Amino acid sequence: EAGVAQSPRYKIIEKRQSVAFWCNPISGHATLYWYQQILGQGPKLLIQFQNNGVVDDSQLPKDRFSAERLKGVDSTLKIQPAKLEDSAVYLCASSLVGGRTPYEQYFGPGTRLTVT
Amino acid sequence: GQQLNQSPQSMFIQEGEDVSMNCTSSSIFNTWLWYKQDPGEGPVLLIALYKAGELTSNGRLTAQFGITRKDSFLNISASIPSDVGIYFCAGPATGNQFYFGTGTSLTVIP
Repeated sequence: EAGVAQSPRYKIIEKRQSVAFWCNPISGHATLYWYQQILGQGPKLLIQFQNNGVVDDSQLPKDRFSAERLKGVDSTLKIQPAKLEDSAVYLCASSLVGGRTPYEQYFGPGTRLTVT
Repeated sequence: GQQLNQSPQSMFIQEGEDVSMNCTSSSIFNTWLWYKQDPGEGPVLLIALYKAGELTSNGRLTAQFGITRKDSFLNISASIPSDVGIYFCAGPATGNQFYFGTGTSLTVIP
């Protein structure tokens, strides 16, 4: 079974530029998460989708961050314009809906963003 | 927001030693998960706990769901070099928003 795919793996941009990250979850996983992990910290949830609907985006800085999951499969996270403090690893995870294991999330390798 | 505090923050142990770490929260959790993260990779799920008092093992790893539902513990027996990494606790708080802990960094000295 293929894991969660993310691209690109690395991205370097200047502040005020835009950037987009892509995620393809495990086949059949209806729930998709985007996390921000700043160096030395645990991942912080930015947004959670179930199918193509948003379940939670309370910690997403909506003035500059946006995310979509139009067909309930792939997802894109965008930052526009980027700030220096957005330098972090952006992780995507997916999980099944319902049953005993709805919280067992499986992560992709992440995209390391450096804003200069 | 919710804070999951892990201790110790870092550990340096000799190969073959046992390891204990814990995670505490200010509010009740109904699920506790333990993840391991290697450098440059995403977290990997180790153990999931769903019931207060539950004790679950995965090979040399054993995790417990605290009776108060505000803490969880992870033990690693007979550590080996590949146990090196950062260990995170995680879970959904009330309202189902998901939180990760502050992490425990483990170094195993051969």
